[in-house]
Amino acid sequence: QKEVEQDPGPLSVPEGAIVSLNCTYSNSAFQYFMWYRQYSRKGPELLMYTYSSGNKEDGRFTAQVDKSSKYISLFIRDSQPSDSATYLCAMNEGSYGQNFVFGPGTRLSVLP
Amino acid sequence: KAGVTQTPRYLIKTRGQQVTLSCSPISGHRSVSWYQQTPGQGLQFLFEYFSETQRNKGNFPGRFSGRQFSNSRSEMNVSTLELGDSALYLCASSLDRTGPYEQYFGPGTRLTVT
Repeated sequence: QKEVEQDPGPLSVPEGAIVSLNCTYSNSAFQYFMWYRQYSRKGPELLMYTYSSGNKEDGRFTAQVDKSSKYISLFIRDSQPSDSATYLCAMNEGSYGQNFVFGPGTRLSVLP
Repeated sequence: KAGVTQTPRYLIKTRGQQVTLSCSPISGHRSVSWYQQTPGQGLQFLFEYFSETQRNKGNFPGRFSGRQFSNSRSEMNVSTLELGDSALYLCASSLDRTGPYEQYFGPGTRLTVT
């Protein structure tokens, strides 16, 4: 079992839909969580950064962390064709340093 | 503020050769991490440098090495290249003041080993 799991997709939704992307993890020591968006042949772009449990909102994006269930989510409201990309979650224990563990990514396609 | 830059962007090498990749972090960022991304394994952590010292290391063979300079720029070296080293190599920089911090990635160097 991998440390961080994501449904690889592809996930296809119509423009304007609410998208829910999820990651599950096995290491209960993870405390720091990030979501990245990666377009084809580009580097990952940071979308959200959260610490411990709870919600965080930034524009159309909302990140949720449920440490008791070892489950994190990213919601995208009013999805746009430009949101079509691969979404990666990343996690860190917070002990020392920047060695984040990444999920395999979910490919999202928003259809006009 | 300029982002993370990586050079070269594309590289083709032959098995057995060695390669050096370069990364310039965002101004003021002192932590530089390197990752390997492949379709089969996804993004895997190679190592992290902070203040010219390797602070963390992933599970990669000793053929993979790196260093960081006093201006925080970093280089990564792969010796005795194998076909399986073909990948996108990503560099990420971070402020890292009090613990794990937001990481910002460069565009990557796409290495093809033939």
